[in-house]
Amino acid sequence: DVKVTQSSRYLVKRTGEKVFLECVQDMDHENMFWYRQDPGLGLRLIYFSYDVKMKEKGDIPEGYSVSREKKERFSLILESASTNQTSMYLCASSLGTPSYGYTFGSGTRLTVV
Amino acid sequence: GQQVMQIPQYQHVQEGEDFTTYCNSSTTLSNIQWYKQRPGGHPVFLIQLVKSGEVKKQKRLTFQFGEAKKNSSLHITATQTTDVGTYFCAGGGKLIFGQGTELSVKP
Repeated sequence: DVKVTQSSRYLVKRTGEKVFLECVQDMDHENMFWYRQDPGLGLRLIYFSYDVKMKEKGDIPEGYSVSREKKERFSLILESASTNQTSMYLCASSLGTPSYGYTFGSGTRLTVV
Repeated sequence: GQQVMQIPQYQHVQEGEDFTTYCNSSTTLSNIQWYKQRPGGHPVFLIQLVKSGEVKKQKRLTFQFGEAKKNSSLHITATQTTDVGTYFCAGGGKLIFGQGTELSVKP
């Protein structure tokens, strides 16, 4: 089974802190994604990457950046955390062909205080 | 930009009743995927539809992709308590997700 591992299940950070969310997948998937999930809003795409060192903005990239230095790892960075970034963050990966769907990690629930 | 709308937002059913969730896109979709998220869990891929008018079945679940490839539906026959969760549709190359339909099943 493909495994997508997110480094933390729960995280509490202070406003203004720089926050790193790590995601690692073990099945050599080309594509990796970061979503945030909020009640009533579904999953919203923050950033995605189709290859190492490649990144593209999703629908809500403001306040975030990403890094993909190795194929298996995709990091989400909150440059200066704010309370409106309190959310569930989900990482996902997929093969180049979409027919196998996305495999999601268990999520990181981030609270910014 | 492309939007994917899903209705209803919530559905409460008695065990044994049927359930349907609908997904509508503002633009034609190259594909539609469906995911299930159990309470406290993460989304899990169920199926992908690609062809206009396509219908696929997984046991009690029936998935349809509209002729114009702008809408889709998921129908569950005779719901069980194990069907509880939120069902998401997602479409397009960049996978835009709908808001999800939260299904609760009363035994």
